[in-house]
Amino acid sequence: GENVEQHPSTLSVQEGDSAVIKCTYSDSASNYFPWYKQELGKGPQLIIDIRSNVGEKKDQRIAVTLNKTAKHFSLHITETQPEDSAVYFCAASRRGGATNKLIFGTGTLLAVQP
Amino acid sequence: DARVTQTPRHKVTEMGQEVTMRCQPILGHNTVFWYRQTMMQGLELLAYFRNRAPLDDSGMPKDRFSAEMPDATLATLKIQPSEPRDSAVYFCASGFLIGGTTDTQYFGPGTRLTVL
Repeated sequence: GENVEQHPSTLSVQEGDSAVIKCTYSDSASNYFPWYKQELGKGPQLIIDIRSNVGEKKDQRIAVTLNKTAKHFSLHITETQPEDSAVYFCAASRRGGATNKLIFGTGTLLAVQP
Repeated sequence: DARVTQTPRHKVTEMGQEVTMRCQPILGHNTVFWYRQTMMQGLELLAYFRNRAPLDDSGMPKDRFSAEMPDATLATLKIQPSEPRDSAVYFCASGFLIGGTTDTQYFGPGTRLTVL
């Protein structure tokens, strides 16, 4: 089955710096890769996603890149702000499969220091 | 602003007691997922419903856990009897599946369960 690895597990940056979180997946048939942000005491919230037919997607300060050959994808946050501090999860699934299950990475705790 | 709602938000119970968690998916969504989150295991998928029918519950301990969708607006996750190792945050998520592809999963705020 699919396995998703996420690195680093913790990341501390200064306000205004960029943050990069990387994930690798094992199932070459996976074709949907969302990123979720989870704040303390809340459920994960989707912040951006990418499908396998594109290599990059950007939404304001957030971007995701996908390398299908290497089977890895990354989240890039530019000009970080204290409110970006949260746990970030990557996930992978095979759209069109029997169950469309999301397989999550283990999470990255991002701390943005003011 | 459509949201997934979950009740209760917090539950403290004693070992052996029955626990029922409820979820109201976003109106119009036809897929419902139950997840469990712990520090050790991260986010684990417990069960998955499509059009109220259970499609995958392979992540759920069958002897004590059960998941149902009595109607399109209510999903339940029941633990009987509960054990201390069941202590975790349980999330419900919903989405809309059509034509073999699935839309985004939207998560509820979770139920924090503590079994003493």
